[in-house]
Amino acid sequence: RKEVEQDPGPFNVPEGATVAFNCTYSNSASQSFFWYRQDCRKEPKLLMSVYSSGNEDGRFTAQLNRASQYISLLIRDSKLSDSATYLCVVNPANSGYALNFGKGTSLLVTP
Amino acid sequence: SAVISQKPSRDICQRGTSLTIQCQVDSQVTMMFWYRQQPGQSLTLIATANQGSEATYESGFVIDKFPISRPNLTFSTLTVSNMSPEDSSIYLCSVVERGSYEQYFGPGTRLTVT
Repeated sequence: RKEVEQDPGPFNVPEGATVAFNCTYSNSASQSFFWYRQDCRKEPKLLMSVYSSGNEDGRFTAQLNRASQYISLLIRDSKLSDSATYLCVVNPANSGYALNFGKGTSLLVTP
Repeated sequence: SAVISQKPSRDICQRGTSLTIQCQVDSQVTMMFWYRQQPGQSLTLIATANQGSEATYESGFVIDKFPISRPNLTFSTLTVSNMSPEDSSIYLCSVVERGSYEQYFGPGTRLTVT
């Protein structure tokens, strides 16, 4: 079983739509959780950290369910510029700062 | 966040040769890491670059193949040794700044081995 699994995608949505990505992780003792965005042929960029209480940053909302080992990212009012690959990232327990990456979910927002 | 640069940005190399990739950060950082992203795949951690001591390698990666240096808090190198076409990949360094646990990535080095 992969350590971090994501929706396979791709997601094709119209501008203005709301889209949700899901992610599960296998290590129940994982400490930190993140969503990164990666544009084509670019490095991953940190979108947001995911806190236990859930957190929101503008149009983006992240949720963490430790009991189900599940993380989600909700994007409201999608923009064309949101088109990218979204990576679910987990910092496993006892790994220091090393990160495990999901394979990513591709989002295409169309006019 | 810290500004991270990598050199070279890309290279095409012949099999059997070696390439050293440099990662420079504009501020002192706690941790530096090296990742690999093979075509169509997500990122895989190669090793943690430890300042002044040997790097800590992940399963499947060894020092002879991927020697790493980190002489100070702002600079690290990764060498890909005795390259084969399977080493064609993007190599990225990442850093964790002091007082943070969030990780930021350099622009990557796109390596093609022929």
